[in-house]
Amino acid sequence: EADIYQTPRYLVIGTGKKITLECSQTMGHDKMYWYQQDPGMELHLIHYSYGVNSTEKGDLSSESTVSRIRTEHFPLTLESARPSHTSQYLCASSAGLNSPLHFGNGTRLTVT
Amino acid sequence: QKEVEQNSGPLSVPEGAIASLNCTYSDRGSQSFFWYRQYSGKSPELIMSIYSNGDKEDGRFTAQLNKASQYVSLLIRDSQPSDSATYLCAVNPRGTTNKLIFGTGTLLAVQP
Repeated sequence: EADIYQTPRYLVIGTGKKITLECSQTMGHDKMYWYQQDPGMELHLIHYSYGVNSTEKGDLSSESTVSRIRTEHFPLTLESARPSHTSQYLCASSAGLNSPLHFGNGTRLTVT
Repeated sequence: QKEVEQNSGPLSVPEGAIASLNCTYSDRGSQSFFWYRQYSGKSPELIMSIYSNGDKEDGRFTAQLNKASQYVSLLIRDSQPSDSATYLCAVNPRGTTNKLIFGTGTLLAVQP
């Protein structure tokens, strides 16, 4: 079944650690996105990619980085986690222009 | 003015009633419009896509689009307690190649 997967589902980590949030999709979508959402707040686009080796920063400034070496894989990395990075991170993909986004289950990150 | 505006609610309706959720957008050239449902702590789930003026029905859900008024709405007939969630309006503005802009969402509470 075609889907989009995020791991881990929950992550609690100490300040200063390096973390990578994984996102993979089996739908063959070229476009992939990372959104950040605090509880009860709106979604903010932090990174997007329109294909392999293509990445762009979103509307919300983020200290995270992304890579797109394979179509199906779009990991997000924080080199040095801080408490201000505590949030929910949502990965999404879409088939193309004017297509809806399909979201993964999200990673809830807590930095202590 | 925000690019996509929604009343944050909560919108409270009795079980069995029609819930009406509204969204306005600023870019007159916007091309595609989506409604997502998000349960607390979960990721957004696509309910409806609409691309042209008029109504689009899918089961208990009807999306309505009026491009002249820059207005999109979602009607939920025979509301159920399980419909209680935050409903997000998302718009694909002109020329952004599928960078959806999300509203802040409307919290719907269906009272049994």
